Amino acid sequence: EPEVTQTPSHQVTQMGQEVILRCVPISNHLYFYWYRQILGQKVEFLVSFYNNEISEKSEIFDDQFSVERPDGSNFTLKIRSTKLEDSAMYFCASREARGGFNEQFFGPGTRLTVL
Amino acid sequence: AQSVTQLDSHVSVSEGTPVLLRCNYSSSYSPSLFWYVQHPNKGLQLLLKYTSAATLVKGINGFEAEFKKSETSFHLTKPSAHMSDAAEYFCVVSGGATNKLIFGTGTLLAVQP
Repeated sequence: EPEVTQTPSHQVTQMGQEVILRCVPISNHLYFYWYRQILGQKVEFLVSFYNNEISEKSEIFDDQFSVERPDGSNFTLKIRSTKLEDSAMYFCASREARGGFNEQFFGPGTRLTVL
Repeated sequence: AQSVTQLDSHVSVSEGTPVLLRCNYSSSYSPSLFWYVQHPNKGLQLLLKYTSAATLVKGINGFEAEFKKSETSFHLTKPSAHMSDAAEYFCVVSGGATNKLIFGTGTLLAVQP
C-alpha cells in the first residue's frame, strides 16, 4: 500500500541552524501539507502546497519557513534559522486532487529538537 | 472559523467494554469531520470521515461515529474495546480553501486487560 515517508525520523540541531525536513508524498497525489505538533499541544496546520506554489499558510509559517518540491517526488520544509520553540513533531501529508474531501495521508513524522 | 473540542484528554476502559470518545465541533457551514488515530511512534491514520452523506459513519476496526447537527457533536464509539485500540485519537474538521485539517487536542485511550 502506498504511503507517505519522512526523513529523518529524528533531527537534533543547534539554535540558529538551518534544517530541512524531507517528505515523499504518495506518487499520484497533488496536494501537500505540513503540520506540526509541539509536545503536549494539538496538531497545527503550517502550509499547503499545490501546483508548485503555496496555496494556504498559517500565521506560524513566517519568513523563517519555506517549502519546495525540488524534483517531482520530494516535498521539503526548510527552517532557515531554528529557534527553541521550533522543537516539535513535524508531519507531512498528501491527498489526491479530485473533490474536496479526500483523505489526507500522513507520514510518520520527524521529531525536531532545537538545543 | 471551524474548530473542534475534544471533551476528554484521557479515557480508560476495560477490554471488551464500550468506547466513547467525545467531540464537539463549531462550523459556520456544513462541516467535513474526521477521526484520526495515532499509535505510538506511528503516523496519523484515518479512522472515518463524515462528508454530509449518512450521519452514521462506519470506519475501520469497528469504530463508528454519528454526526448530530442539533448537538454539534461527532462522538466516536466502538462496542467492544481491544487492547490494540490503545492510542491517541484526534477529532478533526476540514476547512479553508485547501481543506486544511484543524485538529482537536486529542484523547488518549487506555485499554486495561
